[in-house]
Amino acid sequence: DAGVTQSPTHLIKTRGQHVTLRCSPISGHKSVSWYQQVLGQGPQFIFQYYEKEERGRGNFPDRFSARQFPNYSSELNVNALLLGDSALYLCASSGVSGTGELFFGEGSRLTVL
Amino acid sequence: AQSVTQPDIHITVSEGASLELRCNYSYGATPYLFWYVQSPGQGLQLLLKYFSGDTLVQGIKGFEAEFKRSQSSFNLRKPSVHWSDAAEYFCAGTNDYKLSFGAGTTVTVRA
Repeated sequence: DAGVTQSPTHLIKTRGQHVTLRCSPISGHKSVSWYQQVLGQGPQFIFQYYEKEERGRGNFPDRFSARQFPNYSSELNVNALLLGDSALYLCASSGVSGTGELFFGEGSRLTVL
Repeated sequence: AQSVTQPDIHITVSEGASLELRCNYSYGATPYLFWYVQSPGQGLQLLLKYFSGDTLVQGIKGFEAEFKRSQSSFNLRKPSVHWSDAAEYFCAGTNDYKLSFGAGTTVTVRA
């Protein structure tokens, strides 16, 4: 069975640009979460979506937005990129919302120049 | 604030020796607790989890962890380390839908 898949795996952007990251959850999972992992730190929670509704948002500016589609895949959008947005963006899915057992993808490595 | 702390940034251990990674949590109620491993350039793999019940939890790859409420700890152990265990290890906790991660412990295995 396919795990959580993310695309693209690597990308380079310049300051001020916009980026869209994509995630497909494990088949049957209805919840998708996004985390940001800056080099040398633990992942930080950005968003969780369950059944296409936003359940929670971490301490990130409004430049960060996300959505979940009817097939439960998800997009993370970041506008007006800053150098500090350079990070590994991890998507995770879970079958039952609230248990905290997340299955992570390999991540999208974003470099902002 | 709800949080998870990993006191050790980096641990070096000889192959075949035992390993223990520390994790402390600060939550109002007992949280769900997890240990994840991350190899360079890769995502997170779940090693084990604690929800309730037996305080000694067995995981994959020969790892186990012990939940101690009196010490607010959830330490990870492995009796005999293999070179392939070199990686970064994260402790995480939650009592709702979002995980709070520790800063991670990097494990180096020497021959």
